[in-house]
Order: sequence, then structure tokens, then C-alpha cells
Amino acid sequence: KAGVTQTPRYLIKTRGQQVTLSCSPISGHRSVSWYQQTPGQGLQFLFEYFSETQRNKGNFPGRFSGRQFSNSRSEMNVSTLELGDSALYLCASSLDSQGSGYQETQYFGPGTRLLVL
Amino acid sequence: AQTVTQSQPEMSVQEAETVTLSCTYDTSESDYYLFWYKQPPSRQMILVIRQEAYKQQNATENRFSVNFQKAAKSFSLKISDSQLGDAAMYFCAYRSAVIKAAGNKLTFGGGTRVLVKP
Repeated sequence: KAGVTQTPRYLIKTRGQQVTLSCSPISGHRSVSWYQQTPGQGLQFLFEYFSETQRNKGNFPGRFSGRQFSNSRSEMNVSTLELGDSALYLCASSLDSQGSGYQETQYFGPGTRLLVL
Repeated sequence: AQTVTQSQPEMSVQEAETVTLSCTYDTSESDYYLFWYKQPPSRQMILVIRQEAYKQQNATENRFSVNFQKAAKSFSLKISDSQLGDAAMYFCAYRSAVIKAAGNKLTFGGGTRVLVKP
């Protein structure tokens, strides 16, 4: 079974631009979570989607948004990019077949490295 | 809010020896899950081991084992017979079992870099 895939793998943008990152979960997985990893702040939770609905959200400004499609694929969007948005963005999926999250382990994709100039 | 602390920024171990990584966490919940993830230079996060808080028995996966001390809120990882491929960043993570409150959110520690010397 194919793992979690993320596109693109690398991205360079300039301040003020917007960016969209894509995540395809493992086949059959219904929950998709997004994390930001930076040297200064470490790994921080952005948001989680389940059945096209945002189930939880981290402490990030409204410039960060996401969505999930009916096939469980997810996108995250960052508008009005700032230098501090430079990071590795990780997506993780879990089966969560009953919507309870019970005992579900998250499997991570390879990440998208975003550089904002 | 839950917090996870890894007090060792870096650990060095000789090949074939054993190394133990520390992790402490703070929570008021009684039911939760704990994980150790490995992040090699490729940056892909790989699950190493998981522990359910309601289980008293420590989890084991081949050369990896944990020492889970619920009362002390401690969750250490032991890597036995260390191999060169074990060199990576290791992250301890917490997940609430109360799905309605926290969904699938993982709270990570700051990480410990493991160096393996041949």
C-alpha cells in the first residue's frame, strides 16, 4: 500500500504570495493532520480534517487554512506569506474508521519544504 | 494544555551498545497515548513505538522498548544493539484519548538527536 504523499516536495515563494500544499493520505485513511516544523518552534499542530470537516485546529493565524476533499485528500493554504512561514510542512494520515480516533496511529508523509524569501 | 519535554538535545552511542532517551510529559488526563517517532536526515517521520496509558505493560518493538512510568509521567525509549541506521532525531509525542477535545492532535517534544559511532 502506498504511503502518504505530499506535493510539491520543495517550494520557494516570496513574501506576500500565497501557497497551496497537497497531501494524499494512505488509501482508506480518513483523517489528515498537518504539522509545521521549524528549528525554533519544533513540531506544531496546524489542523486536522476528518470526513471533509475540520476536527481540531492549532494556534496559528487565519492565514493558515485547509480543506479536505471527499476522497480524503487534503490541501493547506497559506496566504500573505511571511519569512517566518519558512518551514517543513508535514502531513499525517490515520485510518480512524469509526471517527473516534481510538487507538489510531498517524503515518507521516515526506513533507513539503517551503522557503519564503 | 499538555506539554512534552525531552531534556537531552543530543545523545551519542557506540554501535552495538544501548542508549536511553528521556521524555516527560504533563497532563491532567488519565487516558492517552504516547509515541516515539524517528526522523532520519530524509525528514520522513517514522513511528518507532506506541504505548497506551491504560496498559501497564511496557511496549516493545524488536530492539526498541519503553519504560512507561505513569505516576511519574515519564516515557523513556531504550534502543538496544544500536545500529548506524538508528542515527536520527527522535521525538516523543502525546495524544489525548478524548477525541472530541483534541481530535488526532499530537503534541511533540523538542527532540533528541542520536549519534551512532562505528
